Amino acid sequence: EVQLVESGGGLVQPGGSLRLSCAASGFTFSNSWMHWVRQAPGKGLVWVSYINSDGSSTTYADSVKGRFTISRDNAKNTVYLQMNSLRAEDTAVYYCARDWSYSVEYWGQGTLVTVSS
Amino acid sequence: QSALTQPRSVSGSPGQSVTISCTGTSNDVGGYNYVSWYQQHPGKAPKLMIYDVSKRPSGVPDRFSGSKSGNTASLTISGLQAEDEADYYCYSYADNYTWVFGGGTKLTVL
Repeated sequence: EVQLVESGGGLVQPGGSLRLSCAASGFTFSNSWMHWVRQAPGKGLVWVSYINSDGSSTTYADSVKGRFTISRDNAKNTVYLQMNSLRAEDTAVYYCARDWSYSVEYWGQGTLVTVSS
Repeated sequence: QSALTQPRSVSGSPGQSVTISCTGTSNDVGGYNYVSWYQQHPGKAPKLMIYDVSKRPSGVPDRFSGSKSGNTASLTISGLQAEDEADYYCYSYADNYTWVFGGGTKLTVL
């Protein structure tokens, strides 16, 4: 059974940092592209970041470029999202997602990040 | 990276068909056959319903179908059922290993 389990969310002050983790199981993680997708409360889905299978290629949405960094550890079957200089508008549920043919085949349950003073 | 355009809401009665449109540009929807659709019930993670414009993952009923013409993709749900009431999102690959979602459409089954 495929599982994606996010962790690391919580309450952080504006300007602060947080690192999200996503532990994967049930598929060959080292062969898989991964994404982070977020959803602000009551709002739609927004693609945040992508990483290829060996971590050599990463991309970001304009709204987070320069502040967020995606990485992965294939030995630990884990993908990360380092979030710096957080803003109120970054408040959202963050989903870890496995790519399949340029779509999202599997989703985690999400972890809530709240940026507030 | 502008969001794809979807109607905010659509509705239909049980047994009817509804179509949700998703309009982008030649840099995303129109440029690639990598449009997918997701169903999201309140408080739940999204679920993949259609990928590669018109392919259905295993387990998705054939009442769900996808198509594309130019810069606009469409999701059609036939034989509407009460459990189809949910939010639906389109998603497209968009140049240089970036992706973009639509704004979402709320489907109400009357």
